[in-house]
Amino acid sequence: GAVVSQHPSRVICKSGTSVKIECRSLDFQATTMFWYRQFPKQSLMLMATSNEGSKATYEQGVEKDKFLINHASLTLSTLTVTSAHPEDSSFYICSARTRELINYSYNEQFFGPGTRLTVL
Amino acid sequence: AQSVTQPDIHITVSEGASLELRCNYSYGATPYLFWYVQSPGQGLQLLLKYFSGDTLVQGIKGFEAEFKRSQSSFNLRKPSVHWSDAAEYFCAVAITSGTYKYIFGTGTRLKVLA
Repeated sequence: GAVVSQHPSRVICKSGTSVKIECRSLDFQATTMFWYRQFPKQSLMLMATSNEGSKATYEQGVEKDKFLINHASLTLSTLTVTSAHPEDSSFYICSARTRELINYSYNEQFFGPGTRLTVL
Repeated sequence: AQSVTQPDIHITVSEGASLELRCNYSYGATPYLFWYVQSPGQGLQLLLKYFSGDTLVQGIKGFEAEFKRSQSSFNLRKPSVHWSDAAEYFCAVAITSGTYKYIFGTGTRLKVLA
C-alpha cells in the first residue's frame, strides 16, 4: 500500500521550454502533497506543499512563478518548471500525506521514485 | 530551531562488519523519526520509523534503530553489512506542531569494502 508514482522518470529538455512532472497516489487519497528538489550528493530540499483544491505554499527562496504546482485532485499533483534553464537541472521528488488513518499515519509521507530533469 | 544532524558525511566499513549511523535531532515536541536509504539515481526507501512505544525498532534489510529521548538520538544499526547496503542514508523528523513538514539530515554515504 501507499504507493506514489511519478512521471516521467527522466526528462531532457531545451533551455527555455517548460516541463511538467506528474505525481500520483495510486492506492490512497493524498490530502497533501510535497515537492522536493535534490542536488547531487545533497539532501532533499522542500520546495512547496500543496493541498487539494488550494494554492501551494512555497518555501522561502523558491520562485512560485517558475515552479508551478497544481493539486487538482486527491490523487494527482503536477509540478511545471517554466522557462527551464540548465540550473534547474535536478532530481525532483514528490511525496504525499493522507488522512486515511485506518491504514496510515497522518505523520508519515510516502515518496515517489523521483524525476531526473536535465536542461540543455 | 528544529534540525536533524547526521555527523558522519562518509562512512566506510568492510563487508560483514557492524554498522552504526548517527542521527541527532532538535525538536521540542514528540518526534516522529524515520530512516531512509537512497541508491544512486533512485528515490527514497523507508527502512524504519519510530512513532511511539518500544524504543528499539526493527526495519527492513536487517536494520534496527534505537530512540533515545535523553540524547535526542535515533541511531541506525546493522550487525553485519552487505555490499548491497552501499548507499546514501537519510534521517528525518516529522514536524507536527505548527506547519507540518519533514526535516531531513544531510545524509551519510556508506561505502562497503569487499
